[in-house]
Amino acid sequence: KAGVTQTPRYLIKTRGQQVTLSCSPISGHRSVSWYQQTPGQGLQFLFEYFSETQRNKGNFPGRFSGRQFSNSRSEMNVSTLELGDSALYLCASSLEVGAASGNTIYFGEGSWLTVV
Amino acid sequence: KQEVTQIPAALSVPEGENLVLNCSFTDSAIYNLQWFRQDPGKGLTSLLLIQSSQREQTSGRLNASLDKSSGRSTLYIAASQPGDSATYLCAVLLTGGGNKLTFGTGTQLKVEL
Repeated sequence: KAGVTQTPRYLIKTRGQQVTLSCSPISGHRSVSWYQQTPGQGLQFLFEYFSETQRNKGNFPGRFSGRQFSNSRSEMNVSTLELGDSALYLCASSLEVGAASGNTIYFGEGSWLTVV
Repeated sequence: KQEVTQIPAALSVPEGENLVLNCSFTDSAIYNLQWFRQDPGKGLTSLLLIQSSQREQTSGRLNASLDKSSGRSTLYIAASQPGDSATYLCAVLLTGGGNKLTFGTGTQLKVEL
């Protein structure tokens, strides 16, 4: 079965622009989370969605937003891009939330964003 | 605030050696702990998940243990191979934290021929 799919894989944007990243979770998974990975800060949690509702939000400015659709696909948006937003953005999906059913969390290959 | 630390930060071993990667966390109120592998420029691959009620999990040459009371987990890799070269990350899922994973700093492993 297909894994977590993220698009686009690579993109270059200019400071001040905005970007939208897309994530399709594993079929049947209803929980989608987003993470930012940078060499300096490591992996940091952005937000989590379950059944179209944001359940958790990390410590990021309001320029970072997301949403989940009824088919569980998710998008995240970053507005007014800054150089420091250059990072690997990872999407993760799981069947349930928390301790239910062991709840292994699976990650996609990520979207590499470079802001110039 | 949960903090997760991994030691060592980097490790280089000859092929065939058995090795242990360490992960420690400050808050023992966890649902589970998951070990991941990340190859350069790639996403994360789930290796093992240990639920809070379990002591260890095994998959092939990998064995992960969990001591929740002391806030520690170890990943044991038997008979290491060059293909095991990657960064290994541990992550904990906190009780009541939804699906928010808190990641460790990672151990960069290089297995040499």
